[in-house]
Amino acid sequence: DSGVTQTPKHLITATGQRVTLRCSPRSGDLSVYWYQQSLDQGLQFLIQYYNGEERAKGNILERFSAQQFPDLHSELNLSSLELGDSALYFCASSVGPGQNYGYTFGSGTRLTVV
Amino acid sequence: GNSVTQMEGPVTLSEEAFLTINCTYTATGYPSLFWYVQYPGEGLQLLLKATKADDKGSNKGFEATYRKETTSFHLEKGSVQVSDSAVYFCALKLSADSNYQLIWGAGTKLIIKP
Repeated sequence: DSGVTQTPKHLITATGQRVTLRCSPRSGDLSVYWYQQSLDQGLQFLIQYYNGEERAKGNILERFSAQQFPDLHSELNLSSLELGDSALYFCASSVGPGQNYGYTFGSGTRLTVV
Repeated sequence: GNSVTQMEGPVTLSEEAFLTINCTYTATGYPSLFWYVQYPGEGLQLLLKATKADDKGSNKGFEATYRKETTSFHLEKGSVQVSDSAVYFCALKLSADSNYQLIWGAGTKLIIKP
């Protein structure tokens, strides 16, 4: 158990629908990062939050949004889902600013859009 | 710009063979360097890291040395096991980046045959 909790582990939904993925960071970590990993592809950075504020955006579609709540958990909202959105979505956390700190990853949510 | 380049996979080896996965980087300043491993069906785990030139990171029999002169951080293991089969990601973090984001390589899939 890495300490980063992601729910649900699996999600199957239809095109056009909206889903919410949840992430609880490791205790004490203030930064949360969201990544998308498609089959045979590397990690695509989506968005970063630090202590409730958005800090950086990557290749996140306009149909996707996220937020980090006062208790530091984060949610990634995916709407108007398309078949191509099927992927593994990972959340990672880190203690915060600090070059020498790595990330701790959750086990991911596997989203299948049918 | 800042980037990480890994050797393309898959890399297929027999058990007990010597492993090298090449990683080179381009970065301004003095990055910290990381190797992450992703076992099948799991999230990424930090394998090892090095925070300054000539540092050697090591864990679980894996080693990597931060070579500033060649801008490299190659991953090595003297005798691989079937259980080492996974995808390995090299990454760097820049002190100049106030968000301390990890910049990722594309990942190298390692297959170990018994």
